[in-house]
Amino acid sequence: QVHLVESGGGVVQPGRSLRLSCAASGFTFSAYGMHWVRQAPGKGLEWVAVMWYDETVEKYADSVKGRFTISRDNSRNTLYLQMNSLRAEDTGVYYCARRGQTNSWLDYWGQGTLVTVSS
Amino acid sequence: EVMMTQSPGTLSVSPGESATLSCRASQSVSRNLAWYQQKPGQAPRLLIYDASTRATGIPARFSGSGSGTYYTLTISSLQSEDSAVYYCQQHNDWPLTFGGGTKVEIK
Repeated sequence: QVHLVESGGGVVQPGRSLRLSCAASGFTFSAYGMHWVRQAPGKGLEWVAVMWYDETVEKYADSVKGRFTISRDNSRNTLYLQMNSLRAEDTGVYYCARRGQTNSWLDYWGQGTLVTVSS
Repeated sequence: EVMMTQSPGTLSVSPGESATLSCRASQSVSRNLAWYQQKPGQAPRLLIYDASTRATGIPARFSGSGSGTYYTLTISSLQSEDSAVYYCQQHNDWPLTFGGGTKVEIK
């Protein structure tokens, strides 16, 4: 079955960097686009970024554009999110999620990893 | 950016009754609309995509409808396990956007 496991979260000071990873199993990772979605404590869901299966397309929310970079290693079945210049408002649980077969619904989600940006 | 507005904010329903949740987009999303269920401490789970197609393993008592800018999620014969926050999401345009959520409580 599809399994997504995020890691790399933690407490980081404002202005510093962090890299999240998402290990995928149970499906052909190289055939699916992948998303990052975040959720601030007690708040709703916010889409962050997407990368196509073949890395030809990547898109970002305006709130992270220029600071975050999504990437993937299809040989390792792993998705990444490099987060630079972190701000307090980046605090939250970060989920990776698989893109639907023909459009950008999110059909499987990981359990999330918590990022806390605080001095 | 397409703004998604969900109503009501909270819905309290007795077991066995039906609940209808609404989601309105600031512009047409051409039925490119998904619904998710999120229980406390858990990741969201896909229920519906393309406005009315149930995801794998989702019971038939969850149904979606709508077009243009207005969509609904109906949960029939509510069960205690349906207590959760439900989000809509448009997958018609970038950036992807979610509604603010509707919390369904079981009386």
